[in-house]
Amino acid sequence: GENVEQHPSTLSVQEGDSAVIKCTYSDSASNYFPWYKQELGKGPQLIIDIRSNVGEKKDQRIAVTLNKTAKHFSLHITETQPEDSAVYFCAASADSNYQLIWGAGTKLIIKP
Amino acid sequence: DSGVTQTPKHLITATGQRVTLRCSPRSGDLSVYWYQQSLDQGLQFLIQYYNGEERAKGNILERFSAQQFPDLHSELNLSSLELGDSALYFCASSVGLAPYGYTFGSGTRLTVV
Repeated sequence: GENVEQHPSTLSVQEGDSAVIKCTYSDSASNYFPWYKQELGKGPQLIIDIRSNVGEKKDQRIAVTLNKTAKHFSLHITETQPEDSAVYFCAASADSNYQLIWGAGTKLIIKP
Repeated sequence: DSGVTQTPKHLITATGQRVTLRCSPRSGDLSVYWYQQSLDQGLQFLIQYYNGEERAKGNILERFSAQQFPDLHSELNLSSLELGDSALYFCASSVGLAPYGYTFGSGTRLTVV
């Protein structure tokens, strides 16, 4: 079955710098890749998603890139701010079963 | 406010007891998903319902059960509770079978003492 690996497990960056989180998936049929942000004590919130017919998608300071050949996708956050501190989860799903397979999460720490 | 409502927000109960967690999906959403998140852990998928029918099962214990009612709200029943069942339980919903735009509620924090 599908497996999603997420790295790193913890990422600490200086405020204003960029952060990159990478996920690798195993099922080549996967075609939907969302990213969720979970703040302390809250439910995960969808921040950006991408379908397999698109290589890159941007929304203000966040972007997601997809490399179907290498079967990996990445979340890029530019000009990081304190409010970006959270746990970020990636996921992948395929139309064959529509189940989201989750990465283990990345704790992003923004240092002032 | 995500539109997904979970009650109660907090629950403290003793080992061996049974509890019911409730979820009202976002208006118009037919799919409801239940997740368990233990302290500093990832998201563990439990079960999905679509329009009243069980659609998919994850690593849900036999002591746990769920259902989705005609008005589309869902309940997760946890019985014979153990200390290890202490966790955050999240409900999510989506319009159809596909997880596009999947939206989570704010969760129920269950503490078993």
